[in-house]
Amino acid sequence: GQQLNQSPQSMFIQEGEDVSMNCTSSSIFNTWLWYKQDPGEGPVLLIALYKAGELTSNGRLTAQFGTTRKDSFLNISASIPSDVGIYFCAGQLRNFGAGKSTFGDGTTLTVKP
Amino acid sequence: EAQVTQNPRYLITVTGKKLTVTCSQNMNHEYMSWYRQDPGLGLRQIYYSMNVEVTDKGDVPEGYKVSRKEKRNFPLILESPSPNQTSLYFCASSSTSNHQDGYHETQYFGPGTRLLVL
Repeated sequence: GQQLNQSPQSMFIQEGEDVSMNCTSSSIFNTWLWYKQDPGEGPVLLIALYKAGELTSNGRLTAQFGTTRKDSFLNISASIPSDVGIYFCAGQLRNFGAGKSTFGDGTTLTVKP
Repeated sequence: EAQVTQNPRYLITVTGKKLTVTCSQNMNHEYMSWYRQDPGLGLRQIYYSMNVEVTDKGDVPEGYKVSRKEKRNFPLILESPSPNQTSLYFCASSSTSNHQDGYHETQYFGPGTRLLVL
């Protein structure tokens, strides 16, 4: 199956700092999704991207669909303690967030107050 | 309240004893999916369903079955569980709508089912 490489694997940052993480694939996707998972909970969808080059924001979060369609990026600005968690990217071949999904292995974010 | 429910939340069973994990959503979503999550790994898709009576394999379907007889329910069946199916399982439902300002994705995950196969 397709592989997604998500990096970094973990991040330790100070409150107030900006965060960047990315996902790369060996093949193209038509939809990119970013999720956050808190301990003991299911993932929560943060941002969905449907077009190459698309840049979408959700509060302090901004994600981009790479122009090659093989990568995506998530930025968190001015991090706060509640940003702690595991962030996952996922790619889908089908348009509009349905169909077969491939997930990255996650980026664990720790924010020090 | 929009939600995806899974039952049971925790299950300890023995090798070979058939089990079913139920998943139900109350949002009339067309699309539902099952994932497993293992330590240090992301989610891996087991099966997905685009609508009633339409199901397809994800990346790790071996040892699992699903059915979609009604829109709201998407049970996961393990006919003969084995220890390598010990995992945390998530069900999800979603839909995509087209608005003036673009597409909006609505997606919800269930709370998870922790399965231990001895």
